[in-house]
Amino acid sequence: NAGVTQTPKFRVLKTGQSMTLLCAQDMNHEYMYWYRQDPGMGLRLIHYSVGEGTTAKGEVPDGYNVSRLKKQNFLLGLESAAPSQTSVYFCASSYDGRGREKLFFGSGTQLSVL
Amino acid sequence: DQQVKQNSPSLSVQEGRISILNCDYTNSMFDYFLWYKKYPAEGPTFLISISSIKDKNEDGRFTVFLNKSAKHLSLHIVPSQPGDSAVYFCAAVSGTSYGKLTFGQGTILTVHP
Repeated sequence: NAGVTQTPKFRVLKTGQSMTLLCAQDMNHEYMYWYRQDPGMGLRLIHYSVGEGTTAKGEVPDGYNVSRLKKQNFLLGLESAAPSQTSVYFCASSYDGRGREKLFFGSGTQLSVL
Repeated sequence: DQQVKQNSPSLSVQEGRISILNCDYTNSMFDYFLWYKKYPAEGPTFLISISSIKDKNEDGRFTVFLNKSAKHLSLHIVPSQPGDSAVYFCAAVSGTSYGKLTFGQGTILTVHP
């Protein structure tokens, strides 16, 4: 049982480049989330999805796009990377979207934008 | 506007002693609170939670206390073990935010043998 798997684990981009982070979960969860973690800021929600084919903006959505074409996958895209997007990105999923049930997190993607 | 604050960036305790991690919040709409633990190079994992209708919840060595009037919660670990060394995040959610957790900045706990 893999849980939540994120790829890649590390990536270095130049300003203006694009990339896609992939998140896959094998727990049949309806709800999926993308967070970023920055020093002194905790985890902040970027985008989330309440089911296949749906997406919604979180707290810090600017500069990111997402897609949920399949229930098990949630993709985070950066169309034109900026140094401010240097961060650790975490994907999470949950069965219940009310937040009262625990989130299952992936191991993170360390992204550096030069 | 940091709605959930963990004002202590780090805490160091001796093995066997009590660890107390604190968390303050400003949004009175928050009605459910969670603690997550994070080891280096891993994602956060759920530790314990508490509903606003309670003031205490225990799970083994971990106890979370909630003081709604002070908008304050704390996580007690007794006895502390070296394996508890990690970053601890508190998080909060309200019934109206439907699953969107608001996290604190995290506290680095170091338990010395």
